[in-house]
Amino acid sequence: KAGVTQTPRYLIKTRGQQVTLSCSPISGHRSVSWYQQTPGQGLQFLFEYFSETQRNKGNFPGRFSGRQFSNSRSEMNVSTLELGDSALYLCASRWYEGGETQYFGPGTRLLVL
Amino acid sequence: QQPVQSPQAVILREGEDAVINCSSSKALYSVHWYRQKHGEAPVFLMILLKGGEQKGHDKISASFNEKKQQSSLYLTASQLSYSGTYFCGTEGQGGSEKLVFGKGTKLTVNP
Repeated sequence: KAGVTQTPRYLIKTRGQQVTLSCSPISGHRSVSWYQQTPGQGLQFLFEYFSETQRNKGNFPGRFSGRQFSNSRSEMNVSTLELGDSALYLCASRWYEGGETQYFGPGTRLLVL
Repeated sequence: QQPVQSPQAVILREGEDAVINCSSSKALYSVHWYRQKHGEAPVFLMILLKGGEQKGHDKISASFNEKKQQSSLYLTASQLSYSGTYFCGTEGQGGSEKLVFGKGTKLTVNP
């Protein structure tokens, strides 16, 4: 079974631009979560989608948004990029609910100049 | 409610043991442990569920104290391949809650 895939793997943007990141979960997984990882801050939870609905949300500004499609693929959008948005963005999927193993994708490394 | 991990970093020699701790201020349904090597995605190690069920790696052991909302990961007879950053993630008891992670514990195993 193929793992979680994320595209693109690397991205360079400038301040003020917007960016869209894509995540394809493991086949059959219906939950997709997004995390931001920066040095020293660990994995910061952005949001989780399940059956095309946002099920949980972290403490990030409204510039960060996401959506999930009927095939469980998910996209994350960041508008009006700031230098502090430079980070590794990880997507993770699991089948359905709590207590299930969550599998991470390789991440998209975003650099904002 | 990000869980708190300790220590922040630990350096071992091959063959030594280590314990990594994770604590939360809220009632938990599960604790998840992951290891991340530099430049790679976090890799699943183990899940500990309320009620005592465990799922995961057969060479790694962990405990979950439900009353104290604490978990510990035990790494015995460490190998060079154990090096990496270990993250614990916790889920609350509300049902369909988010999985939030601590800031990580960096483990370095030297020859």
